[in-house]
Amino acid sequence: KAGVTQTPRYLIKTRGQQVTLSCSPISGHRSVSWYQQTPGQGLQFLFEYFSETQRNKGNFPGRFSGRQFSNSRSEMNVSTLELGDSALYLCASSLAERSYEQYFGPGTRLTVT
Amino acid sequence: QKEVEQNSGPLSVPEGAIASLNCTYSDRGSQSFFWYRQYSGKSPELIMSIYSNGDKEDGRFTAQLNKASQYVSLLIRDSQPSDSATYLCAAGDSNYQLIWGAGTKLIIKP
Repeated sequence: KAGVTQTPRYLIKTRGQQVTLSCSPISGHRSVSWYQQTPGQGLQFLFEYFSETQRNKGNFPGRFSGRQFSNSRSEMNVSTLELGDSALYLCASSLAERSYEQYFGPGTRLTVT
Repeated sequence: QKEVEQNSGPLSVPEGAIASLNCTYSDRGSQSFFWYRQYSGKSPELIMSIYSNGDKEDGRFTAQLNKASQYVSLLIRDSQPSDSATYLCAAGDSNYQLIWGAGTKLIIKP
């Protein structure tokens, strides 16, 4: 069974731009969670989607948004990029809603200059 | 605020020895605990979950949970250089969110 895939793997953007990241969960998994990982802050939860609905949200500004499609694929968008948004963005899929056992994709490394 | 705390390390252990990784959590409502391994430049990988007080063994890995002390540990027996990684401890809260520790960097010296 294929794992979680994320595209693109690397991105370089400039301040003020916006970016869209994509995640395809493991086949049959319906829940997708997004995380931001930085050396200083560790793993920070962004949001969770299940059945195209946001079920849970972390403590991030409204510039961070996401959505999920009927095939469980998910996208997250960051608008008006700031230098501090440079991070590894990880997507994790779970079989069911609100499942603790999550399987991570390889991540998208975003660099904001 | 809900927190999971881990010693950032690095923890250096000779090959073949037992590596002991620890974490404490603040939320007494947490009932589920997880250890993830993250190799440098890679994403986290779930290696152990534990839900009840006591020990849970899986191969060379043993997870230990003490809810009274709010303490979780991971023991790695017969440590191998391939075990060198950052180990993340996570606790599941009542909102079904994982609260993550910052991770302990483990180095196994040949």
